[in-house]
Amino acid sequence: GAVVSQHPSRVICKSGTSVKIECRSLDFQATTMFWYRQFPKQSLMLMATSNEGSKATYEQGVEKDKFLINHASLTLSTLTVTSAHPEDSSFYICSARGAEYNEQFFGPGTRLTVL
Amino acid sequence: GQNIDQPTEMTATEGAIVQINCTYQTSGFNGLFWYQQHAGEAPTFLSYNVLDGLEEKGRFSSFLSRSKGYSYLLLKELQMKDSASYLCAVRMRGAGSYQLTFGKGTKLSVIP
Repeated sequence: GAVVSQHPSRVICKSGTSVKIECRSLDFQATTMFWYRQFPKQSLMLMATSNEGSKATYEQGVEKDKFLINHASLTLSTLTVTSAHPEDSSFYICSARGAEYNEQFFGPGTRLTVL
Repeated sequence: GQNIDQPTEMTATEGAIVQINCTYQTSGFNGLFWYQQHAGEAPTFLSYNVLDGLEEKGRFSSFLSRSKGYSYLLLKELQMKDSASYLCAVRMRGAGSYQLTFGKGTKLSVIP
């Protein structure tokens, strides 16, 4: 199957700072990338969907000015959590789908802790 | 809107068979996926159904009935390593793309 990487795997930051998470498709071109958030013992919640070269579509309740998504190339998408707060602490997971695949491939996730 | 229901927890014995059910109500249905997720890790793909019927893949099988909005994941010859959360996810047409909506997951505990 296709491989998706995420970096960093863990990050701890101070409240008020910004954190950037990278998501890369390593062996395929990701026409669509998805960003999810998962709180402890809860399911994955879709935050936004992005197609390469266009603006991301955010789910209801997700602040687009706080969670900046860039999908500038077919292999890279970034999520920037701006002015992070402790309540933003969560497991952030990206997934990617190429035109030739039916399924989404998930990255390993990034655990964000905001102090 | 969409609504996906699956049991919160299940326990089964090593070597046995377990069936995890999933019911859904959604518009724009375009397939149902099952994922396995171990604690602290990302989900891994198990199966995909878009037509009615049973899909078998080794020890895992998945069934779909679109008219009933129902699916199940069947795990045979359970192993201890199968202890994980199993996520049912429905794909539907979203704004500009197909997207997955996940159920809350079923935490399966396999006991000796």
